Amino acid sequence: IAGITQAPTSQILAAGRRMTLRCTQDMRHNAMYWYRQDLGLGLRLIHYSNTAGTTGKGEVPDGYSVSRANTDDFPLTLASAVPSQTSVYFCASSLQGGSTEAFFGQGTRLTVV
Amino acid sequence: AQSVSQHNHHVILSEAASLELGCNYSYGGTVNLFWYVQYPGQHLQLLLKYFSGDPLVKGIKGFEAEFIKSKFSFNLRKPSVQWSDTAEYFCAVNDGDYKLSFGAGTTVTVRA
Repeated sequence: IAGITQAPTSQILAAGRRMTLRCTQDMRHNAMYWYRQDLGLGLRLIHYSNTAGTTGKGEVPDGYSVSRANTDDFPLTLASAVPSQTSVYFCASSLQGGSTEAFFGQGTRLTVV
Repeated sequence: AQSVSQHNHHVILSEAASLELGCNYSYGGTVNLFWYVQYPGQHLQLLLKYFSGDPLVKGIKGFEAEFIKSKFSFNLRKPSVQWSDTAEYFCAVNDGDYKLSFGAGTTVTVRA
């Protein structure tokens, strides 16, 4: 593994189903983030974590939850998927927050039908 | 929260033309500024960043950006684009918090 790995790459999900998007980084970065990318809206922050054991809400947290049990993993869970959650989801990490560069995963394309 | 505005939604230009993409942000204090690029089907990659010092920063692939504090701007430029510069470009701003705020993005299409 080098950098950030997201899984799955893409997924079609029935509305109402639960889904966890996985994100793993091997750079020992303290901060991790989940963004969703929608046409015309750019990237919007869903949740973030400054360090293992802590999480915070971003701009669009409703319908999503995260956990940060260790430094490397930052899964994003949709408890009951809705069509408006159809999007491309990017996980990112940075050594520290804010003033350091964020590195992005390849993305997960999620379609909720 | 920061507000980041990118003025152009879609820019179409020919190879060798010059490119300038506008970016303005809302926060009046100290900011960290970034431009990211997303090539078709790929993840975001950092083009360049400004934290402090010389307001004219140079990045990869011949890109540069100028930070003008009085105008709350961080415009991206490239003197001569190539077909391979076709991509989506995102301006991002951080005001010292952990969160990056992104603009809506500008799609750049370079015609051969």
